[in-house]
Amino acid sequence: DVKVTQSSRYLVKRTGEKVFLECVQDMDHENMFWYRQDPGLGLRLIYFSYDVKMKEKGDIPEGYSVSREKKERFSLILESASTNQTSMYLCASSWAVPGEQYFGPGTRLTVT
Amino acid sequence: DQQVKQNSPSLSVQEGRISILNCDYTNSMFDYFLWYKKYPAEGPTFLISISSIKDKNEDGRFTVFLNKSAKHLSLHIVPSQPGDSAVYFCAASAGGGANNLFFGTGTRLTVIP
Repeated sequence: DVKVTQSSRYLVKRTGEKVFLECVQDMDHENMFWYRQDPGLGLRLIYFSYDVKMKEKGDIPEGYSVSREKKERFSLILESASTNQTSMYLCASSWAVPGEQYFGPGTRLTVT
Repeated sequence: DQQVKQNSPSLSVQEGRISILNCDYTNSMFDYFLWYKKYPAEGPTFLISISSIKDKNEDGRFTVFLNKSAKHLSLHIVPSQPGDSAVYFCAASAGGGANNLFFGTGTRLTVIP
């Protein structure tokens, strides 16, 4: 069974703090993704990575950065959290062929 | 600009009846389509997919139909069950090594017992 885990289910941070969201997958997937989900907007892609140390911007990369030092781990970094980054963050992974992505349970981040 | 659209934010259906969820897309390069189901406080889970070389794919109670000329796909759930109550996301891919998915905004299905 594919397992994608995220470091926290709920997180509350203050404006201006640096925030790290961690994601780990156990299926040796090449591709990993970070999305945010907001009501009425669906899932929007922030960043993705198709290999270790490789990263590509998605649709809404502003205010975020990522790190992929190991194949199984993909981190999302909010350099200086702002209230408009309050959202549900979802990590996903997949093999390197068109097909389904496997999602983690999500992290509900609140920035106050 | 939203390349995948789900124009119905919500749908209510009686238990045992058919649920039909619709999705439209604008990018003619999309060649693979998926439906995901999401319960509150959980990540989306894959439900069913269809390649552009087919017009129908069936898996148990779930059937996806693809109309390429209309750039439209639909998910049929028959019979609907209360456990099907969730948010359903349509997604599309244009292939490529990273198989990026473009998601719709979701439709909340409520199956009334």
